[in-house]
Amino acid sequence: DADVTQTPRNRITKTGKRIMLECSQTKGHDRMYWYRQDPGLGLRLIYYSFDVKDINKGEISDGYSVSRQAQAKFSLSLESAIPNQTALYFCATSDPGTTGPREQFFGPGTRLTVL
Amino acid sequence: AQSVTQLDSQVPVFEEAPVELRCNYSSSVSVYLFWYVQYPNQGLQLLLKYLSGSTLVKGINGFEAEFNKSQTSFHLRKPSVHISDTAEYFCAVSDRGGYQKVTFGIGTKLQVIP
Repeated sequence: DADVTQTPRNRITKTGKRIMLECSQTKGHDRMYWYRQDPGLGLRLIYYSFDVKDINKGEISDGYSVSRQAQAKFSLSLESAIPNQTALYFCATSDPGTTGPREQFFGPGTRLTVL
Repeated sequence: AQSVTQLDSQVPVFEEAPVELRCNYSSSVSVYLFWYVQYPNQGLQLLLKYLSGSTLVKGINGFEAEFNKSQTSFHLRKPSVHISDTAEYFCAVSDRGGYQKVTFGIGTKLQVIP
């Protein structure tokens, strides 16, 4: 079974709709992240959470919100989707207990299209 | 602040030929360095990471990277590529503090030609 799962894997929606992307992990990691990937722009951080009570904005948080329902679950919401939010979205986790460079573990991604 | 520059957006190479994917970074503090790979329709996975010590780092699938502090580079190499190496490769840098904020490059698409 995958350690980091994302649902849905693909979603097509219309401008103005509210969308929620969900992420679950079985790795037991405290830190979770949401990124978006756009061609030619790489990965950009939207939000990150160090634990259930600690949520922080990343470099491109406008238009997005998040909820950390439990250590294992981290959801990303688009309150009113717009076409330029069409992208590939990734959830990731990392283990703060690791000494040295911490690997991030990525989910398979959600491809979102906003028409 | 830290940044990563991947100099090539696409690199075509024939099967069994060597390849080098270039990465330069900028940071005002000491950093950790990473290479991740993204196969089609998958998430990113770690290829290798640099902490300290030997400047040559070996990763999975026969890849290796060389850290060059004076040139602030961390280029990825493989002596002989396979079709299965076709993927997008991301260089990344993080600070060495408690948070380890990660900055990713824009990616290099490696296309292995049969």
